[in-house]
Amino acid sequence: DGGITQSPKYLFRKEGQNVTLSCEQNLNHDAMYWYRQDPGQGLRLIYYSQIVNDFQKGDIAEGYSVSREKKESFPLTVTSAQKNPTAFYLCASSYRDKKGTEAFFGQGTRLTVV
Amino acid sequence: DQQVKQNSPSLSVQEGRISILNCDYTNSMFDYFLWYKKYPAEGPTFLISISSIKDKNEDGRFTVFLNKSAKHLSLHIVPSQPGDSAVYFCAASGNAGNMLTFGGGTRLMVKP
Repeated sequence: DGGITQSPKYLFRKEGQNVTLSCEQNLNHDAMYWYRQDPGQGLRLIYYSQIVNDFQKGDIAEGYSVSREKKESFPLTVTSAQKNPTAFYLCASSYRDKKGTEAFFGQGTRLTVV
Repeated sequence: DQQVKQNSPSLSVQEGRISILNCDYTNSMFDYFLWYKKYPAEGPTFLISISSIKDKNEDGRFTVFLNKSAKHLSLHIVPSQPGDSAVYFCAASGNAGNMLTFGGGTRLMVKP
């Protein structure tokens, strides 16, 4: 079954700690993304990667880091520099065919700082 | 600068009536538009799309209209059902690259 998997679904972090959110896809998509959603807000782009070993900052990259060592994997690290990390995090991958680009999302990780 | 905007953060509709969700874009290079539906604590799922060569695409109760001259698209849901209550995101992509740009979302509430 092809898809995009985020883990864990819920994550608790103590203040001052780094934490890494996992995102794996077996859809053979080149592009992958991380979004953050806060209550009542839209999707804000944190980082994206269009190809292995390359990634770009999105609109709210400060306090986050990513890596793209494999096509299937795009982990997001929330560092202690992120001032307000409690949020719902969504990973996505996308492909482009002759019609256009379509994205597929994981089920999300809810991160809570305690 | 938001290239894709959904100016209505929320919409409330009676069951059985039509829901109309709107989306505006500024980038004339966008050539493919999508609507995604999102329930709380879940990832968005694809709903319907339209290419810039068309002005209408229909799938069951869902129809998307595209007005290229106005850089505007809308999603019509007829008839609306309580299960349609969710946040709807409009997204757009261009022929350069593989990026989707999302709007801020509209929360639809369908009242029984």
